[in-house]
Amino acid sequence: AQTIHQWPVAEIKAVGSPLSLGCTIKGKSSPNLYWYWQATGGTLQQLFYSITVGQVESVVQLNLSASRPKDDQFILSTEKLLLSHSGFYLCAWSPNTGQLYFGEGSKLTVL
Amino acid sequence: QQQVRQSPQSLTVWEGETAILNCSYEDSTFDYFPWYWQFPRESPALLIAIRPVSNKKEDGRFTIFFNKREKKLSLHITDSQPGDSATYFCAASAGNTGYQNFYFGKGTSLTVIP
Repeated sequence: AQTIHQWPVAEIKAVGSPLSLGCTIKGKSSPNLYWYWQATGGTLQQLFYSITVGQVESVVQLNLSASRPKDDQFILSTEKLLLSHSGFYLCAWSPNTGQLYFGEGSKLTVL
Repeated sequence: QQQVRQSPQSLTVWEGETAILNCSYEDSTFDYFPWYWQFPRESPALLIAIRPVSNKKEDGRFTIFFNKREKKLSLHITDSQPGDSATYFCAASAGNTGYQNFYFGKGTSLTVIP
């Protein structure tokens, strides 16, 4: 069975500080990987997707970047956090048959 | 332009009643419509999904009704339970091979009163 794990579970960071969030999927080779952002009480906004190692496409510009250094790993980062970056970050994977499965999420609070 | 719209924004029903959550979409090429539910402080989980080849999909107390001509679908929750209280997201995507882009509605917050 496939499992998806995100880290860290939660972060409290200062405005202007760097950020790195990670996601690992096990049990599935070459999955499509996605990063979503959700404001408190809000909808799910797709940020990035990746079809293969080393290839990442941006969907919206939020002063964030993403990388896929390994087939099973997806990283979200920024060098300078903004207050507006606060929210719930969700990594997701798709097995190319239509379904989308989310990880447990990382809650980010920027102060 | 919002590709997927949901209504109502919030819904309250009594335990045992049927809750009806509505969804509509813009793009006629969408061919997969999943519903997710999300409990507070948790990530969304896939609840039930339908493809346009069917106009109805049932899974226990949860049923999707799909109207391709009107580009509308609805999620019916029969015999609603307090444990069904959650935010429900309707989503849509196109293409069942390769990369798919998923569009989410803004969600319906359901409260089931015991």
